[in-house]
Amino acid sequence: DAKTTQPNSMESNEEEPVHLPCNHSTISGTDYIHWYRQLPSQGPEYVIHGLTSNVNNRMASLAIAEDRKSSTLILHRATLRDAAVYYCIKGRNKLVFGAGTILRVKS
Amino acid sequence: DTGVSQDPRHKITKRGQNVTFRCDPISEHNRLYWYRQTLGQGPEFLTYFQNEAQLEKSRLLSDRFSAERPKGSFSTLEIQRTEQGDSAMYLCASSPGLTSSYNEQFFGPGTRLTVL
Repeated sequence: DAKTTQPNSMESNEEEPVHLPCNHSTISGTDYIHWYRQLPSQGPEYVIHGLTSNVNNRMASLAIAEDRKSSTLILHRATLRDAAVYYCIKGRNKLVFGAGTILRVKS
Repeated sequence: DTGVSQDPRHKITKRGQNVTFRCDPISEHNRLYWYRQTLGQGPEFLTYFQNEAQLEKSRLLSDRFSAERPKGSFSTLEIQRTEQGDSAMYLCASSPGLTSSYNEQFFGPGTRLTVL
């Protein structure tokens, strides 16, 4: 299972939007795009998922490219509590995690 | 709903010993997953169950690892003849197992294994 490609780390200022990119060029037609995040010393937690259309929920928005080979997770107003490792994953049942993007939020 | 629980939270053992971890999923979740995470890496899929059936097992999982979910509720992961390379966080997750909609996975806090 080929993993997705994400930047190793990103930094944001508090209260500003954050755009976390992800490349998944080998995605198949039935694969979901999942985003999970992992806060320090905790298990991962679900953030959002999508298939073809852009998605919004209370935590974030997910913008999916028309060819589905890339996507962007959008945190509209980053807070210090959003500092975490963000994982972009493609697939159906099992989750194949890469190294993720470490998001640092500055106050 | 108390979430996914794992026991123990920490385990220190000597090389060569056997260890067993337990995972209690969210009530009525049909799917249960085991992952392993080493420092600085994302979680690595080990195996998953649909009810009591083990549907997939990672090729990376050696024969020293075995998982069971005998009654389709809690699960155990056993590692025989532990090696120092087995030191990691072992994460369990569960999901509803619905066939017609998305299945978000809910993770437990993990069991941290240290092999001396």
